Amino acid sequence: AQSVTQLDSQVPVFEEAPVELRCNYSSSVSVYLFWYVQYPNQGLQLLLKYLSGSTLVKGINGFEAEFNKSQTSFHLRKPSVHISDTAEYFCAVRPISSNTGKLIFGQGTTLQVKP
Amino acid sequence: GAGVSQSPSNKVTEKGKDVELRCDPISGHTALYWYRQSLGQGLEFLIYFQGNSAPDKSGLPSDRFSAERTGGSVSTLTIQRTQQEDSAVYLCASSLATGGYGNTIYFGEGSWLTVV
Repeated sequence: AQSVTQLDSQVPVFEEAPVELRCNYSSSVSVYLFWYVQYPNQGLQLLLKYLSGSTLVKGINGFEAEFNKSQTSFHLRKPSVHISDTAEYFCAVRPISSNTGKLIFGQGTTLQVKP
Repeated sequence: GAGVSQSPSNKVTEKGKDVELRCDPISGHTALYWYRQSLGQGLEFLIYFQGNSAPDKSGLPSDRFSAERTGGSVSTLTIQRTQQEDSAVYLCASSLATGGYGNTIYFGEGSWLTVV
C-alpha cells in the first residue's frame, strides 16, 4: 500500500519570498510522483511529475521539485512566489506497476501568499 | 472535448434523495477516475475504469454509491439515499492508458454536492 504525507497543512509566505512545500511518501513498490495545484473553485492541474531520470524536475509557473529516494521525499519549491500562487497543492504517488492506475494523494497544503 | 467535463457543477439535494453526477472524459482517454474531496479530508479515490476491464471499486464508501461507464466514454456516479456526510466535491478525471502509469491524469472542475 502507499501513503502520502504533506507535512504542512498551511504555509503563509510573503510575496517574492521563496517557498518549500514538503511531501513524504511510503510505498513498498516503486512509484511515480506528482504535484497538482488547485486554485479556488477550480479542478486540479498538474504542476510537474517525476517518472525517471534527473531527480530535479521543473514544472509550470516556475515550480520545481526534487525526488530523494533515500528520504522518500518529493518537496516542491519556488524561488519567488506571487500572489497568484495562492492555492492548495497536492502531492500524489502512483505505483509504476499495478493492476490499477489510481493516484494516492496527500492531504494538501494551502499556500497563502501575502502582499 | 477540450477537457474533462462534469455536470451538474452544483447540486443541492434533500437527504434521502438519489443523485446522478455525470462525467465526460477527454476524447480518446480510456482511463476514467472518480474522486471525492471533502472539507478537511483531502482527495479520496472512489472508482477507476480502464477500457473493458472490470472497474476498481475499492474506494466506494458504501453500497449507496455506484458508477457506470457506457460505451467506454461517459460515466455516471450515482449516490442513492443521500446523507449529509455525502456533501463534497466529486471530481472526475481521465487519462490515456497506453504508455503506463506515468501518463498525466486530467481533472474536471468537479460537481459540488450539498445534501440538506
